[in-house]
Formats: sequence, structure tokens, C-alpha cells
Amino acid sequence: DQQVKQNSPSLSVQEGRISILNCDYTNSMFDYFLWYKKYPAEGPTFLISISSIKDKNEDGRFTVFLNKSAKHLSLHIVPSQPGDSAVYFCAAGSYNNNDMRFGAGTRLTVKP
Amino acid sequence: NAGVTQTPKFQVLKTGQSMTLQCAQDMNHEYMSWYRQDPGMGLRLIHYSVGAGITDQGEVPNGYNVSRSTTEDFPLRLLSAAPSQTSVYFCASSYSRPGGNQPQHFGDGTRLSIL
Repeated sequence: DQQVKQNSPSLSVQEGRISILNCDYTNSMFDYFLWYKKYPAEGPTFLISISSIKDKNEDGRFTVFLNKSAKHLSLHIVPSQPGDSAVYFCAAGSYNNNDMRFGAGTRLTVKP
Repeated sequence: NAGVTQTPKFQVLKTGQSMTLQCAQDMNHEYMSWYRQDPGMGLRLIHYSVGAGITDQGEVPNGYNVSRSTTEDFPLRLLSAAPSQTSVYFCASSYSRPGGNQPQHFGDGTRLSIL
């Protein structure tokens, strides 16, 4: 039962352009959404989050958009840099339980 | 600033063997979790702990055992290893419960192969 889906296994963009990573979810009870970034041989590290009561959160080059009616969120990276090349995981959770659900990840490659 | 430390980084086991994956954190976090990551799938929660002496099951607990005797340590035990347990295991800790808005801090993972 994959409640969080990242349908694009990979994405390749040119340095300086925008990267858009997408995530869909099925459980309307999720209260919070997070994006994690993972480099090879390392654990995921937190990138940015958004509450279900917001539709946008911005942190420097990273912006997350939430469309609750469509059960869809996206991560925008502008401008993309080669150091952004990593696997990005979308995650969702609820305040009333202890289970965080993760998507399968999208591998982003930013070409110089 | 160690954060979350997992040992070992790699391990090969034979079917039926048992072993313990170690996890330690130095951030005084109450919440600790174990996840497994398999190809084409997201991280799935195995077990979690909300504090010393308190543990509970996650999404995929079968074949694993945990205990939490101290705030710092949260070992994961494989009771009788099976090939289906071949995976990369991540330990995480956080101030609040995993489903909340506090981000989790992850270790670098243990890559486990069961032959």
C-alpha cells in the first residue's frame, strides 16, 4: 500500500535551469510533508517541509508547493547546481500516529 | 558532532543466522526509528521507540526485534535471517514522533546481504 508515490525514477536537467520533482499521495489525513535528499553511501538529510494548511514554503533555492485537492506536491530547485545531484525522497506523516511514509525517490542529475 | 551512528556499514549473513545492527545517537532525541530501503520502494518503518523502555511496531516488523534500554541506543535484531531481509537499513532519530513536523536525522545505513 504505497500511500506516497514518486512516479519519476529519474530526472536530468542542465545547470542553472529549474528542477521540478513531483510527489503524489493518497491519504488525505497527512498533516505534514517533507523532502529529504540522499547522496550515495549516506543517509537521507532533511531539505524542506510544508504543513498541510499551507500551499507553499520557500527556503533559498528550494520551494515546495502543495495542492491538497489534487493530493500532489512538488519541489522546485532554482537554479539547479551540479551539487544538487542526489536522490530526493518525498515523505508524509500525521500528527496522530508514528508512521512516516516515504516515496521511492527520484534521482536528480544536474549536468554542468 | 556524530549525530546518528550505525554499525556495521556492511554485513553478509547466511540464512538462519542472527545478528544485531547497532544504532546510537548523541542528540538526546526521544524518538528513534528503524527503516529498510529496497529497490523501487521508499523507506519503510520497521520499529520505532518513543523513549527508553518504550517500543512499537511499524509497517514491516516481522522478523525483527528491538529494545531501548537507554536514550542513546536503539539496536535492531534479526532473529533468523532470511534472503527477503537483504536490504539497506537506516536508523533515525528526532525530537518528535516520526509522523510529525520535526525532521528525522538519519545514520549512513547498514547494507545487509543474506545468502
